[in-house]
Amino acid sequence: AQSVTQLGSHVSVSEGALVLLRCNYSSSVPPYLFWYVQYPNQGLQLLLKYTTGATLVKGINGFEAEFKKSETSFHLTKPSAHMSDAAEYFCAVRTGTASKLTFGTGTRLQVTL
Amino acid sequence: DTEVTQTPKHLVMGMTNKKSLKCEQHMGHRAMYWYKQKAKKPPELMFVYSYEKLSINESVPSRFSPECPNSSLLNLHLHALQPEDSALYLCASRSLTASGIEQYFGPGTRLTVT
Repeated sequence: AQSVTQLGSHVSVSEGALVLLRCNYSSSVPPYLFWYVQYPNQGLQLLLKYTTGATLVKGINGFEAEFKKSETSFHLTKPSAHMSDAAEYFCAVRTGTASKLTFGTGTRLQVTL
Repeated sequence: DTEVTQTPKHLVMGMTNKKSLKCEQHMGHRAMYWYKQKAKKPPELMFVYSYEKLSINESVPSRFSPECPNSSLLNLHLHALQPEDSALYLCASRSLTASGIEQYFGPGTRLTVT
């Protein structure tokens, strides 16, 4: 079965600092991986996705993630945090023929002045 | 237009009430999903429709009844709910073409059962 594990339920960074949110996956087949962001009382917005090809994936709002097969990781980064980045971030893997999404437990990003 | 809309935004209902949640998309997506999300938890899949037919029911109690009347619309009918059913209900859609990888989510309906 495919799954993802997010390390750290809560991450706090200063404004302007590097953001690093960790996600490790488990999959017996080449995975399709996603990062979604959820702002308070809102739905989920796709930040970026990895399917095949280039392992460094760029997304919206300055975020990017690198697929590392050898480390089974898909960590999310942003060079400089902004106050507006404060939100819940979910890593997810696509599973099954109906493209079910299996989500990680989420990481709450706090950005401080 | 990459928008999925959901109505109502908030809903409060008693345990004996019958209500419905509505989801709509005009992206031509032929797969639609219902998720339930409890506070501080990831979304949990409830139902999947493909080409307007129910393809997955994740062992959801029968007090939740989905309906897909056409390719743009998805409903979730609620009856005799329990307080533990209070949650954010999210709808999502996905293209069933070869390029349709990601799901697009609506803003959700915040349901409170009293």
